[in-house]
Amino acid sequence: ELKVEQNPLFLSMQEGKNYTIYCNYSTTSDRLYWYRQDPGKSLESLFVLLSNGAVKQEGRLMASLDTKARLSTLHITAAVHDLSATYFCAVDMAAGGATNKLIFGTGTLLAVQP
Amino acid sequence: DAGVTQSPTHLIKTRGQQVTLRCSPKSGHDTVSWYQQALGQGPQFIFQYYEEEERQRGNFPDRFSGHQFPNYSSELNVNALLLGDSALYLCASSFLDRDQPQHFGDGTRLSIL
Repeated sequence: ELKVEQNPLFLSMQEGKNYTIYCNYSTTSDRLYWYRQDPGKSLESLFVLLSNGAVKQEGRLMASLDTKARLSTLHITAAVHDLSATYFCAVDMAAGGATNKLIFGTGTLLAVQP
Repeated sequence: DAGVTQSPTHLIKTRGQQVTLRCSPKSGHDTVSWYQQALGQGPQFIFQYYEEEERQRGNFPDRFSGHQFPNYSSELNVNALLLGDSALYLCASSFLDRDQPQHFGDGTRLSIL
């Protein structure tokens, strides 16, 4: 069964600093998604990574995918308070064919301190 | 353009009761998936509907059932509620093509007393 692990589970960082969140998954998949969730809110799509070596950037966030290592990273550059939220990676259940069955990681709670 | 809408927002039930949650997908989307999110955890896949049929199912008991209507809206039914069913229930809609992200609604917070 596909398992998705994120680390760290909690990240407290100062404004202006850089850090990386890691997402490891246990079986072959070539579709990975990153979502953001604010407290009491729903999930907002950040990135869709569709192939090995895919890199996407939006503002201070950059996501990458290494399907051979079964690893995705979410890199935060020069963090600001507005980035404080819980970040989830989610892996599509199968490689090849459409499933849309997402297995989510445990989430990383990011707190950016002034 | 309305996004995914869910109702009700909050619901309180007692053990043994039954509940129905509703979801309207984002305009144009044909696939609806339901997730359960317990406090402090990531969402867990319950099941997915496409063309009014259950297409995939996660590791949830038969107490959890659903339906999709011709207009693509969907319902999640849970029978014989247990305390452990207390969670945020999220509906997500998408095109069947999984290269697009799923769009999530704001969820229904279900509390079981």
